[in-house]
Amino acid sequence: SQQGEEDPQALSIQEGENATMNCSYKTSINNLQWYRQNSGRGLVHLILIRSNEREKHSGRLRVTLDTSKKSSSLLITASRAADTASYFCATGVYGNNRLAFGKGNQVVVIP
Amino acid sequence: NAGVTQTPKFQVLKTGQSMTLQCAQDMNHNSMYWYRQDPGMGLRLIYYSASEGTTDKGEVPNGYNVSRLNKREFSLRLESAAPSQTSVYFCASNGPGQHSYQETQYFGPGTRLLVL
Repeated sequence: SQQGEEDPQALSIQEGENATMNCSYKTSINNLQWYRQNSGRGLVHLILIRSNEREKHSGRLRVTLDTSKKSSSLLITASRAADTASYFCATGVYGNNRLAFGKGNQVVVIP
Repeated sequence: NAGVTQTPKFQVLKTGQSMTLQCAQDMNHNSMYWYRQDPGMGLRLIYYSASEGTTDKGEVPNGYNVSRLNKREFSLRLESAAPSQTSVYFCASNGPGQHSYQETQYFGPGTRLLVL
């Protein structure tokens, strides 16, 4: 079954605005990751946050993790047209290297 | 490094035909995965291989078989294709890298399969 559930499903913003998307999960996790998928391409890893971390930054990306609420958010600041893509959260659990992916958020950045 | 490569890129099959999707990685990763991606469903794990010589079922294994030929290659076989197997198939691998975590997965470009 799908572990991650992103919300909202689709987002359309103007270039320069911030984009925020959320992910919730159901069970205990070891880590939570965000991936980007451009149209017709494979997924590309963006950022990983471990269960003992609360916030992480990478360039224009900011990820938060609230294990008490079993939720995470991905913020993309100062969005660019090139950020147009689908974004997936994925959760990893202790004991194996499998990931459970959510259904994805489609983000369209309008130039 | 080529990363994860997949062949073919596109394939059209008739119901009942068989085919093998090929995947190879050159990152010396132990673990490899096969996913399918359908509209509105995200990625669903079909089979995975934690190490050379081992394979395990994922979430949706029915109608598929896999072979971990060696550390580099992990193939997915459809013995008798059905229209429900129309999908985009992604292979992935994971392992530690210079700028990545053990848990990070690297994806191939995908194979688009249409079963008529």
